[in-house]
Amino acid sequence: QSALTQPASVSGSPGQSITVSCTGSSSDVGGNNCVSWFQQYPGKAPKLITYEVSNRPSGVSNRFSGSKSGNTASLTISGLQAEDEADYYCSSCTSSGTSYVFGTGTEVTVL
Amino acid sequence: EVQLLGSGGGLEQPGGSLRLSCAASGFTFSNYAMSWVRQAPGKGLEWVSSISESGISTFYADSVKGRFTISRDNSKNTLYLQMNSLRVEDTAVYYCTKGRIKESDVFWGQGTLVTVSS
Repeated sequence: QSALTQPASVSGSPGQSITVSCTGSSSDVGGNNCVSWFQQYPGKAPKLITYEVSNRPSGVSNRFSGSKSGNTASLTISGLQAEDEADYYCSSCTSSGTSYVFGTGTEVTVL
Repeated sequence: EVQLLGSGGGLEQPGGSLRLSCAASGFTFSNYAMSWVRQAPGKGLEWVSSISESGISTFYADSVKGRFTISRDNSKNTLYLQMNSLRVEDTAVYYCTKGRIKESDVFWGQGTLVTVSS
């Protein structure tokens, strides 16, 4: 199972909106709704920010929103803040439903 | 407060073995599936293995199938990963997670570093 494809880096100015894409195939992203996004600061464990494509866990800012179209999932961060500067990873379960694949990761920079 | 404390990592030679442990607290361990995910230095995340709440069902990435064994002891609130026939490419920080990767309350432990080198 190949890793999902994400851009290596995305940047934006404070207050702007940015979108991070995550492209897979019909065997993963396009074949189910178990797409999640994780935020990871350097040297820290990842943290869940969206699940089941577009749901947010309690405590996660509503500035983070997830969506999906076909084989591509997206994470949009609106009202970009300095604290959003981190690495972001998408994940999807595969067609078996019991294994998972992660994206290649995107470094978000706040200019 | 949910806590997942990994241990057992370290330096091992290629072909050797290590057993990682993940001690859980702050939740009812036996009610949750658990997983291991790894991250090579400077690289992305890779799902390694998952185990069902009872421990009856286990799942593995192709890259570790036949070499790694996931298990759990619900009486000790502890998750394990037995790693045999280690390869240089197994070098990574290994994270244990509470819950399946796709779930709404998945939580990651702080990770334990495994280095495979001669």
